Amino acid sequence: SYELTQPPSVSVSPGRTASIPCSGDKLGDKFIFWYLQKPGQSPVLVIYQDTKRPSGIPERFSGSNSGNTATLTISGTQAMDEADYYCQAWDSSTAVFGGGTKLTVL
Amino acid sequence: QVQLVQSGAEVKKPGASVNVSCKTSGYTFTAYYMHWVRQAPGQGLEWMGRINPNSGGTNYAQKFQGRVTMTRDTSISTAYMELSGLRYDDTAVFYCATVTMDDALKWGQGTLVTVSS
Repeated sequence: SYELTQPPSVSVSPGRTASIPCSGDKLGDKFIFWYLQKPGQSPVLVIYQDTKRPSGIPERFSGSNSGNTATLTISGTQAMDEADYYCQAWDSSTAVFGGGTKLTVL
Repeated sequence: QVQLVQSGAEVKKPGASVNVSCKTSGYTFTAYYMHWVRQAPGQGLEWMGRINPNSGGTNYAQKFQGRVTMTRDTSISTAYMELSGLRYDDTAVFYCATVTMDDALKWGQGTLVTVSS
C-alpha cells in the first residue's frame, strides 16, 4: 500500500519560514493536499492540488510537489500557525495520510 | 455552504457496536463520495473507507473489513458508519468527510467514541 512520510515535528521562530516535507514514491505524479488541525478541532484544508489555496487561507501558506517530495511552506510564520499538519494523497481512490507534523512556533 | 454535522459522543462497552451519523447540507449528497476517517487519541488520521451515496457501493480499508458497515439515506442526505466488535483501542474520534469538486476533503466536526467497561 502507498505510504506518505512526514517528520513528527518542526520548530520555527515567529516571522521565519517553516517548511514541512512529505515524501512518497513518485509523489510528484499525484496531487497532494495539506490539512491543518488544531487541538480538539477537525482538519482544515490549507493547500489543494499541490499549490492552490482555498479562499480564506492566508497567502503565507504555499505548496510544491515534485519527484518524491511535497513541501508545505509557511512564510512569516505566526503563533496562530502552531498546529498539526497532515499531507494527503489519493491512491486507487483510497485517502492516504502522512503521519502528521507538529509545528511549534517558538 | 457545505456542512457535515455528526452525531454526538458515545460510550460503548467492549464487544458492542456504534453507529455514527453524518447529516449533510449545502451540496448534492449523491454527487460525491463520503469517506470515514479515524483518529485515535494523540494519533494521526486513518482512512476507514468510503461510500458512493448514489449507488450505495462501498470500499473498506482492509484493517476494518468485516467490522465496518457504511450506509446512507438519500432521502435525508445522511451517511452512517457502524463499527462492530468494539475494542478498547477503538476509542477515537471518527470523522466523516466528503470529497469536494477539487478532490479535497471537507470534514464533519467529529464524533468521539469511547470504549470502556
